[in-house]
Amino acid sequence: EAQVTQNPRYLITVTGKKLTVTCSQNMNHEYMSWYRQDPGLGLRQIYYSMNVEVTDKGDVPEGYKVSRKEKRNFPLILESPSPNQTSLYFCASSLLLQGPGEQFFGPGTRLTVL
Amino acid sequence: AQKVTQAQTEISVVEKEDVTLDCVYETRDTTYYLFWYKQPPSGELVFLIRRNSFDEQNEISGRYSWNFQKSTSSFNFTITASQVVDSAVYFCALSEAQVGGTASKLTFGTGTRLQVTL
Repeated sequence: EAQVTQNPRYLITVTGKKLTVTCSQNMNHEYMSWYRQDPGLGLRQIYYSMNVEVTDKGDVPEGYKVSRKEKRNFPLILESPSPNQTSLYFCASSLLLQGPGEQFFGPGTRLTVL
Repeated sequence: AQKVTQAQTEISVVEKEDVTLDCVYETRDTTYYLFWYKQPPSGELVFLIRRNSFDEQNEISGRYSWNFQKSTSSFNFTITASQVVDSAVYFCALSEAQVGGTASKLTFGTGTRLQVTL
């Protein structure tokens, strides 16, 4: 089954404790992306990647890191989480068709930073 | 910089009414891509449509239709004869083309919550 998986689905942590949210897709998509969703702000892109070893900043990259060492995986790293990073996070992937195609979204990760 | 505005925060309609969700975008590029996504109460995000800037033809898919007007930088979404199952948050999104024709960053609007009641 074609899908994007994210782990964990729920996470409660404390300020400053490094964490990684994993994202994996099995559709051989070139384009992968991370978003955060906050009430009243919609979805905001954090980072995206157009292929292995090619990543770039979205609209809200501060406080986040990503890596794309393999085509299928695109982990999101919070080196020193802060309460303002409490949010619902979505990973997505798509083909690159002279631009991002239909985004396939993961189920979301709800992160709470105390 | 690219920007998407969905001025309607929330809309309530009675079943069978038609409803239009507005999307206005800003971009400096002549080549770009527009999208609509649906987020039902269960939380998943569902793709509805992708349109490139060179294709101004309106599109119809069942009860859904999209009106793309470059002159007003709008890509509005209409649901005809709305149903309770249409209740969701709807997001419009924009991606500009980068050098070489390969677009990258994807900017979403803040979403419109549609409530359809009996």
